[in-house]
Amino acid sequence: QSVLTQPPSASGTPGQRITISCSGSSSNIGSHTVYWYQQLPGTAPKLLIYNNNQRPSGVPDRFSGSKSGTSASLAISGLQSEDEADYYCAVWDDSLNGWVFGGGTKLTVL
Amino acid sequence: EVQLVESGGGLVQPGGSLRLSCAASGFTFSSYDMHWVRQATGKGLEWVSGIGTAGDTYYSDSVKGRFTISRENAKNSLYLQMNSLRAGDTAVYYCARGALGFDPWGQGTLVTVSS
Repeated sequence: QSVLTQPPSASGTPGQRITISCSGSSSNIGSHTVYWYQQLPGTAPKLLIYNNNQRPSGVPDRFSGSKSGTSASLAISGLQSEDEADYYCAVWDDSLNGWVFGGGTKLTVL
Repeated sequence: EVQLVESGGGLVQPGGSLRLSCAASGFTFSSYDMHWVRQATGKGLEWVSGIGTAGDTYYSDSVKGRFTISRENAKNSLYLQMNSLRAGDTAVYYCARGALGFDPWGQGTLVTVSS
């Protein structure tokens, strides 16, 4: 059971906008910045969003992040087939004194 | 180009030990925190351990007391000494640079704990 709760799956059609939620608590999301990672099939994870809503260079602006209270969200607009991947949120947790990941959301592009 | 390359994975019996290494290049290794994250087959990501630039160390509860993280800045290398291994430790182990988030990640090394 992950400390951060994500839906196990999400889906959308090409061009659509989808969101993936990440729910935590005051000891993690409520106190620290959230990160999002994309893991394409058979590859290592890649940083997608840092500091709640910042994109590293090279990440398309179709990807955006937001945070409110103890929850965060990743939005993907203009969905493309190559976005089909697993997405994970992550944050530092004060109670555990360590990093925690969400359980991951498998995105399917129909 | 920033690069992380893990090595040292393999098959080990329950109760055994293994030492993972991560060779870093393309950045000033001593200036960054470093981490180990693992992923069991078909499962999600689990942070294992981290080490700061001053040598301060952090562990998940699942490995505390069994795993030891260390770094050798002169060799641009990160290590994970894993003792008292269990079947539940079977996973791909990634090393990752701790910058703004874990970025980048290595390609991973597979550790299999089985008799």
